[in-house]
Amino acid sequence: GENVEQHPSTLSVQEGDSAVIKCTYSDSASNYFPWYKQELGKGPQLIIDIRSNVGEKKDQRIAVTLNKTAKHFSLHITETQPEDSAVYFCAASKNNAGKSTFGDGTTLTVKP
Amino acid sequence: DVKVTQSSRYLVKRTGEKVFLECVQDMDHENMFWYRQDPGLGLRLIYFSYDVKMKEKGDIPEGYSVSREKKERFSLILESASTNQTSMYLCASSLYGVAGQPQHFGDGTRLSIL
Repeated sequence: GENVEQHPSTLSVQEGDSAVIKCTYSDSASNYFPWYKQELGKGPQLIIDIRSNVGEKKDQRIAVTLNKTAKHFSLHITETQPEDSAVYFCAASKNNAGKSTFGDGTTLTVKP
Repeated sequence: DVKVTQSSRYLVKRTGEKVFLECVQDMDHENMFWYRQDPGLGLRLIYFSYDVKMKEKGDIPEGYSVSREKKERFSLILESASTNQTSMYLCASSLYGVAGQPQHFGDGTRLSIL
């Protein structure tokens, strides 16, 4: 089955700096890659997603890039703010599979 | 906005009890999921359901069962609770689709088995 590895497990940055979280996947048939943000006491929420026919997608301060050949995708957060502090999960899934395979999560801390 | 509601935020039960965790979604989603979240282990899929009365085992189904009698409701059952089932449990739902669909999560039930 699919295996998703996520790095780093913890990341600490100064406010205003950029943060990058990387994931690799094993199943070349995976074609949908969502990113979720989990704040303390809440369930994960989708923040951005990308499909395999697109190499990059941007939404204000967050962007996701996908390299299908290398089977990795990354989350980029620019101009970080304290409210970006949370646990971030990447995931991968295939057409019609319903299920996603999640990475183990990255705890991002943005220091004011 | 999709709303996924888990019936309890915190639950304390005793070893050997039968425990029911309930989840309801209001967006007519076909797929529903139960995950367990433990520190350093990410989200591990226990069971998922793609239709009423249909279910499939996830990665860690041992010690759990599920019930989906109505489309909007998905229940997780701990047949005989054990201390190693103390954890955060997350329910999620998603649309059925040819292409991948995002999952919508509830805020979790923190379950303690004493």
